[in-house]
Amino acid sequence: NAGVMQNPRHLVRRRGQEARLRCSPMKGHSHVYWYRQLPEEGLKFMVYLQKENIIDESGMPKERFSAEFPKEGPSILRIQQVVRGDSAAYFCASSLEGINQPQHFGDGTRLSIL
Amino acid sequence: AQKITQTQPGMFVQEKEAVTLDCTYDTSDPSYGLFWYKQPSSGEMIFLIYQGSYDQQNATEGRYSLNFQKARKSANLVISASQLGDSAMYFCAMREGKDSSYKLIFGSGTRLLVRP
Repeated sequence: NAGVMQNPRHLVRRRGQEARLRCSPMKGHSHVYWYRQLPEEGLKFMVYLQKENIIDESGMPKERFSAEFPKEGPSILRIQQVVRGDSAAYFCASSLEGINQPQHFGDGTRLSIL
Repeated sequence: AQKITQTQPGMFVQEKEAVTLDCTYDTSDPSYGLFWYKQPSSGEMIFLIYQGSYDQQNATEGRYSLNFQKARKSANLVISASQLGDSAMYFCAMREGKDSSYKLIFGSGTRLLVRP
């Protein structure tokens, strides 16, 4: 019974390159969330998606960041023209419907920008 | 204003003793959920326990219990009989019912170190 799968676990990019982070939710979960964690800080919400729809992107930077959750395949968080400040751990979580449903997290992708 | 406040950046506890990690929250929404997560040094986020705003009893999950004081807006995590493997960062988080996305709002965390 696989949990939330994120890949890659570690990603190194040079400034100006693109980063693509992938997330497959737990089986049966239709709600996907992306969070960002800077060192020694808590997680900050970025975006919430359901299949083929972005529901809430209030935490996403206005430029360079985008997310999708296609009908088939994993959810993708895409960062274009990366800068040093994008270095962080990016976590994906999935849940069932409902306020009392816990979000289950993947192991995260550690993004390092050279 | 901070929605979730964890005032203890770091805590020590002796192995086999109990420890309380503080969490206070701020919301005007009558419907909300409170969650605790553990983040070991390996980095993953592990769900520990949930408390709903309408729950009459404090939540318990094994050695974890939640001391929920609604009037004080506090949701402290109690870990009984601490083990060395409990050493980790602990995050308190809240979901508000008025927020249809049900996103989690996290505190800044408490680093717990269990001494042998």
